[in-house]
Amino acid sequence: GNSVTQMEGPVTLSEEAFLTINCTYTATGYPSLFWYVQYPGEGLQLLLKATKADDKGSNKGFEATYRKETTSFHLEKGSVQVSDSAVYFCALSDLAASGGSYIPTFGRGTSLIVHP
Amino acid sequence: DAGVIQSPRHEVTEMGQEVTLRCKPISGHNSLFWYRQTMMRGLELLIYFNNNVPIDDSGMPEDRFSAKMPNASFSTLKIQPSEPRDSAVYFCASSYDRGIQVNSPLHFGNGTRLTVT
Repeated sequence: GNSVTQMEGPVTLSEEAFLTINCTYTATGYPSLFWYVQYPGEGLQLLLKATKADDKGSNKGFEATYRKETTSFHLEKGSVQVSDSAVYFCALSDLAASGGSYIPTFGRGTSLIVHP
Repeated sequence: DAGVIQSPRHEVTEMGQEVTLRCKPISGHNSLFWYRQTMMRGLELLIYFNNNVPIDDSGMPEDRFSAKMPNASFSTLKIQPSEPRDSAVYFCASSYDRGIQVNSPLHFGNGTRLTVT
């Protein structure tokens, strides 16, 4: 079956530090990969995505590259801000075994805390 | 675009009572998902509808849980009877599944925080 493994948090950084959150996946097909962000008291929202190998998704200074050879999709940001404090979820979407529909699989989430 | 709308935002109930959570997906979306989020288990997929039809309900914990989608603009998740271990945040999400060549990200509501005492 499909699975997503993220580094455990919390990740605690000072403002302007470099961020990496590791994500690796296992999939039976050729999935699309996503990063979602969840701010306190809110639902998850899409941060970025990549649909094929070597694609780089980017948004709000965050980047992640789809690495098929290492089955990874690590999230990076060069200089974090206090407002980036949130929980980050890596996810994949793959064709379901039946029904021809996409079923998403989420990682456990990684909490990021950025101090001024 | 009003986004995915869930109600209520908070629900506190006593063990044994029936609880109904409601969701209005984004207009035009044809896939709807119910998730449960807890500290212990993270984000769990409960059930998935496509074009109002339940496709995968293998994540529904037990017979006390049921979900319906009577039309494209409304879904409910019901727990009867509720138990303290059902306490969690329940999210509804929707997307537009355009077929096997392209798939769209999920749009989440802000969730319903359920507390069963």
